[in-house]
Amino acid sequence: QVQLVQSGAEVKKPGASVRVSCKASGYTFTSYDINWVRQATGQGLEWMGWMNPYSGTSGFAQKFQGRVTMTRNTSMNTAYMELSSLRSEDTAVYYCARSFRGGSMGDYWGQGALVTVSS
Amino acid sequence: QSVLTQPPSASGTPGQRVTISCSGSSSNIGTNTVTWYQQLPGTAPKLLIYFDNQWPSGVPDRFSGSKSGASASLAISGLQSEDEATYYCATWDGSLNGWVFGGGTKLTVL
Repeated sequence: QVQLVQSGAEVKKPGASVRVSCKASGYTFTSYDINWVRQATGQGLEWMGWMNPYSGTSGFAQKFQGRVTMTRNTSMNTAYMELSSLRSEDTAVYYCARSFRGGSMGDYWGQGALVTVSS
Repeated sequence: QSVLTQPPSASGTPGQRVTISCSGSSSNIGTNTVTWYQQLPGTAPKLLIYFDNQWPSGVPDRFSGSKSGASASLAISGLQSEDEATYYCATWDGSLNGWVFGGGTKLTVL
């Protein structure tokens, strides 16, 4: 069965970087794009960007341009999202979500990874 | 401020039919298909409807989606207590070149 399993919770100081991983299983990793979506406590969903695991091509929401990097390790079927220059407003649960069928998003989601930014 | 506009809350009694609206513009809902997600507290979102009105396997047909112009709706018939959750609409926005979400609608089953 398809699964996306994310890395655990992180606590970071302002100005630091964080890397969240998303390990895929149960399907061909390079056949489906991976999206990253975050959700601050009590808030709505916010799309951050996507990555094509086959080519490594990625695209980001304007808000995160220059601060986010999305990479992958195809031998480990794992996608990574790194966010730099962290600030308190980046405290959120970060989800990975698979794209499917003609570009629709989110038939499968990771369990989420809480990133807390605090001095 | 979300690009797509949803009512913050909705409610209904068991067995009732409830509709949740999602309003956008020509650059998003007006030209791209709408996806709906259900999110229970403390869990990841779950795909409910895609391509405006298609069900993924396992989603009951009590949930239905529709779209007209730059607005979409999610209807839930035969409301059940387990439907109490927050519902989000989403679509691709061609002007922003990215996915956009509604702010979410918290559904309460009275």
